[in-house]
Amino acid sequence: GESVGLHLPTLSVQEGDNSIINCAYSNSASDYFIWYKQESGKGPQFIIDIRSNMDKRQGQRVTVLLNKTVKHLSLQIAATQPGDSAVYFCAENGGTASKLTFGTGTRLQVTL
Amino acid sequence: DAGITQSPRHKVTETGTPVTLRCHQTENHRYMYWYRQDPGHGLRLIHYSYGVKDTDKGEVSDGYSVSRSKTEDFLLTLESATSSQTSVYFCAIATGPNTEAFFGQGTRLTVV
Repeated sequence: GESVGLHLPTLSVQEGDNSIINCAYSNSASDYFIWYKQESGKGPQFIIDIRSNMDKRQGQRVTVLLNKTVKHLSLQIAATQPGDSAVYFCAENGGTASKLTFGTGTRLQVTL
Repeated sequence: DAGITQSPRHKVTETGTPVTLRCHQTENHRYMYWYRQDPGHGLRLIHYSYGVKDTDKGEVSDGYSVSRSKTEDFLLTLESATSSQTSVYFCAIATGPNTEAFFGQGTRLTVV
């Protein structure tokens, strides 16, 4: 079936550098995407979302880019901090309201 | 965590026994979800609800049932627990379709 996937299971970056986490999706009907952050022992935490009528959306230190042509989503974190260390998930709605499909996650490790 | 409480937080049960997990919200959100999280699979949707007494299946609904008799509570029942249902279960809530879902802290269930 169609699914959301991630290119890199683990990403290691130095503190202060920018991080880029990528996600490929295969359901062309998806029109809503979310990035979540999950710290150990906690539930996923909403970071930022984007709808298919947009290519880019910015938040505080984070930017999400959507390329519908190649079905690619990315999360950029500026000036990565130790507190950014976590697992990051992308999710898509598959064009169907209420059914978010999650990728398997990318672990971000921030080194000092 | 957006007014979501899951109970219990941890449970160990024997194979073949019924188990009910509870999700309680104080946000008056219409949509509620149950996900399970397993290594290598990310978060997978079990069941969701789009209103009182309105529920639907997710991608991994076999062996699970749900009930929502009032807005604030969404119950997940394993009729006869199996070892394959050992997992971390997350409840999430949302105001509507295509909006961010807020997650609870999770319930770790072990079936022995």
